[in-house]
Amino acid sequence: AQSVTQPDIHITVSEGASLELRCNYSYGATPYLFWYVQSPGQGLQLLLKYFSGDTLVQGIKGFEAEFKRSQSSFNLRKPSVHWSDAAEYFCAVGVPGSGNTPLVFGKGTRLSVIA
Amino acid sequence: DSGVTQTPKHLITATGQRVTLRCSPRSGDLSVYWYQQSLDQGLQFLIQYYNGEERAKGNILERFSAQQFPDLHSELNLSSLELGDSALYFCASSEGQGFAGANVLTFGAGSRLTVL
Repeated sequence: AQSVTQPDIHITVSEGASLELRCNYSYGATPYLFWYVQSPGQGLQLLLKYFSGDTLVQGIKGFEAEFKRSQSSFNLRKPSVHWSDAAEYFCAVGVPGSGNTPLVFGKGTRLSVIA
Repeated sequence: DSGVTQTPKHLITATGQRVTLRCSPRSGDLSVYWYQQSLDQGLQFLIQYYNGEERAKGNILERFSAQQFPDLHSELNLSSLELGDSALYFCASSEGQGFAGANVLTFGAGSRLTVL
């Protein structure tokens, strides 16, 4: 079964600084990969997804992620963080072609932004 | 607003009680998924329905049950509640049947259940 690890429970960055959130997955082939964001009191919103093709994926709110097969990673990046980016970020992995295998989510990384 | 509506937003109840959480999927979506989010377990998949029929089952306790009605809304019933059932329960919806491919999940804002 697939699994996801987000090594960082909590990250604090200064506003305007760059950001990288780590995500490592375990799966025998190339999975479907997702990043979701959860703002306080809100549900999860999809930031971006990777299914195939170009390994650098652009998402909403200025986020991007890069799929690296050799490292089994799908790290999320943003060049300049805004205070409104403070939230919980979840990486998720899905199994291609498997309609009944649910998305597996990482435990999340909480991002704090300081002035 | 994601288009997925969950009620109630907050619910406080006592151990041993039964509650029902309701979810209305986004317009046009036929699948509904239930997830439980707790601090120690993270996001855990509970169950999925597609067009009224159960499609996938995860770590759902026997005390919990769900159904999807002809108008596609879904209800999650939690009974004989225990303190450990306190969590945020999310509903998500998607257009297609399963988790694969372009079948992206859209989440509601969640129902926070507190069992005292």
